[in-house]
Formats: sequence, structure tokens, C-alpha cells
Amino acid sequence: GAVVSQHPSRVICKSGTSVKIECRSLDFQATTMFWYRQFPKQSLMLMATSNEGSKATYEQGVEKDKFLINHASLTLSTLTVTSAHPEDSSFYICSARDQRGISYEQYFGPGTRLTVT
Amino acid sequence: GQSLEQPSEVTAVEGAIVQINCTYQTSGFYGLSWYQQHDGGAPTFLSYNGLDGLEETGRFSSFLSRSDSYGYLLLQELQMKDSASYFCAVRDYNFNKFYFGSGTKLNVKP
Repeated sequence: GAVVSQHPSRVICKSGTSVKIECRSLDFQATTMFWYRQFPKQSLMLMATSNEGSKATYEQGVEKDKFLINHASLTLSTLTVTSAHPEDSSFYICSARDQRGISYEQYFGPGTRLTVT
Repeated sequence: GQSLEQPSEVTAVEGAIVQINCTYQTSGFYGLSWYQQHDGGAPTFLSYNGLDGLEETGRFSSFLSRSDSYGYLLLQELQMKDSASYFCAVRDYNFNKFYFGSGTKLNVKP
């Protein structure tokens, strides 16, 4: 149980285009999902908290117009990187909290490797 | 804001015991989690401390001292498969979010 998927696992896009990343909880309902960004050999940086049916809460320094987050259902959150630039290249990981589970546990997706050329 | 410090790298031999420390500064603290991440993979949950003291889960134990803003992860009977990065993460009191430390790369040698 408690499986989170991400799609795509890898994506290469050209500078200036937009990319959408999906995060799905497969066997549980998640009222809250988190989006993280991780540079090579570095920590996970929390970008935003996604709540089903409401606007995402962004961390300080994260551009909400560049990183659009939508949490339209209890099993799906999407992150759209708009007008991507090479510096947006990174590993993006989502996590989800089971609304009926233990509050401190979050389950991570396998991540999406974004390369902007 | 939040600030977490961990050693960047630790090396130990198979069968040994290793301790990874984490010190934190945060405006609102609710608990400390530990995660393991293999290269290219997703983090997996190891342990959580909401109260002071030791939590034991098989070969892994985690300790928290709220008064010292300090915790550690103890790995016993090290195996080669334990080679990975280990992250501590504070659970924010107000918003139930998690902020991660810089990570400790553990190298287990035969």
C-alpha cells in the first residue's frame, strides 16, 4: 500500500516551453501533497504544499507564476513548469500524505528528472 | 525559518554501528523524521520522533532531544545495501510541513 506515482519519469524540453508533471496517489486519498526540488547531491527543497480543492501554498522564494500547482482531486496533483529555462533543470519529487494515515508520514513518488535545453 | 545540519559524509565497514547526527534551528518544531535515499531513487521513511527519547525499528534507531535541538539516527549491523544518503527533516508545527537537512552520504565498505 501507500504508492505514489509520478509521470513522466524523465523529460527533456526546450527553453521557453512548459512541462507538466503529474503526481498520483494510487491506493489512498491524499488531501495534502508536497512538491520538492532536488539538485544533484543536495537536499530536498520544499517548493509548495498542495491542498485538494484550494490554492497551493508556496515557500518563500518560489515563483508561483512559474511553478503552477493544481490539486484537482484527492489522488492527483500537477506541477507545471512554465517558460522553462536551463536553470529549472532538476529532479522534482512529490509526496503525499494519506488523509486517514499517520500525520507525520509522507509517501514519496519516484521523481521526475527535468532537463531544459 | 529552518536550518538543519548533518555531516556530509560518513564511512563505515559492514557489521559496524554508525551514528548520523542532526542539529536544527526552527521557528516551530513538531517532530523529527529520518529518510533514506538511494542514488536516483525516492526518499523512504525510516523513523519519526515526536517526543524526547529513543525510537527503535529493527536495525535502525532514532533519538531526539528537544531541549538540545538535536537528534541522531543509529544504524546497527551495517550492510552494504545501507549505502545511501540519509536525511533528517523537521516537521513544522504550524503547517505540518517538512524541511529537510542537507543529507549525509553513508558509504559502507566490506
